[in-house]
Amino acid sequence: QSALTQPDSVSGSPGQSITITCTGTGSDVGGFNYVSWYQQLPDKAPKLIIYDVTSRPSGVSVRFSGSKSGNTASLTISGLQAEDEADYYCSSYRSYKTLVIFGEGTKLTVL
Amino acid sequence: QLQLQESGPGLVKPSETLSLSCSVSGDSMTSSSYSWAWIRQPPGKGLEWLGSQSYGASTYYNPSLKSRLTISVDASKNEFFLSLTSVTAADTAIYYCATDYNKGEFDHWGQGILVTVSS
Repeated sequence: QSALTQPDSVSGSPGQSITITCTGTGSDVGGFNYVSWYQQLPDKAPKLIIYDVTSRPSGVSVRFSGSKSGNTASLTISGLQAEDEADYYCSSYRSYKTLVIFGEGTKLTVL
Repeated sequence: QLQLQESGPGLVKPSETLSLSCSVSGDSMTSSSYSWAWIRQPPGKGLEWLGSQSYGASTYYNPSLKSRLTISVDASKNEFFLSLTSVTAADTAIYYCATDYNKGEFDHWGQGILVTVSS
């Protein structure tokens, strides 16, 4: 199965806002509100930062927010900080064949 | 707070079976509403969902691995397991166990275990 489409990389300066997109189809991202986002710091396990498109787990900074329009979900990080430099992955529930599919991953560089 | 810890061999020979365990602490698997999942990440690459099983309920597998993969749960020991047969170098990856709260919401992760397939 093919992964959800994410940009390979994005970058921004401290204090700026950046958005990472995650594009799927009507059978996954567009069809359900079960999109999650994960932050993976170097050599660490992924960490859930957004679930159900827009919800934040307890303890996750309010600078992280999620949204969705059609078949594309987005993660926005506002007030960019050096500690946000990481790989970010989206995932979605899929209604056929594969239950869960991940995005290709996006490397965020804080300039 | 749930904690998960993977264990198993770090090196497996081609054509053999990769077997991993995930030990769960901080909650009883018999009373939990979680599904128990395995996810892997080849070195330098992205994440791939392998499968999930709810205690006493159905098991779902990634179709690309379904013929080779078995996920099982021993709730009495608070452990769940992964078995992947006929491995090749393409199965070399960091393997993570995780909790699946709801349709792919992986909210607790183990630290991961690197498994290399090589003779």
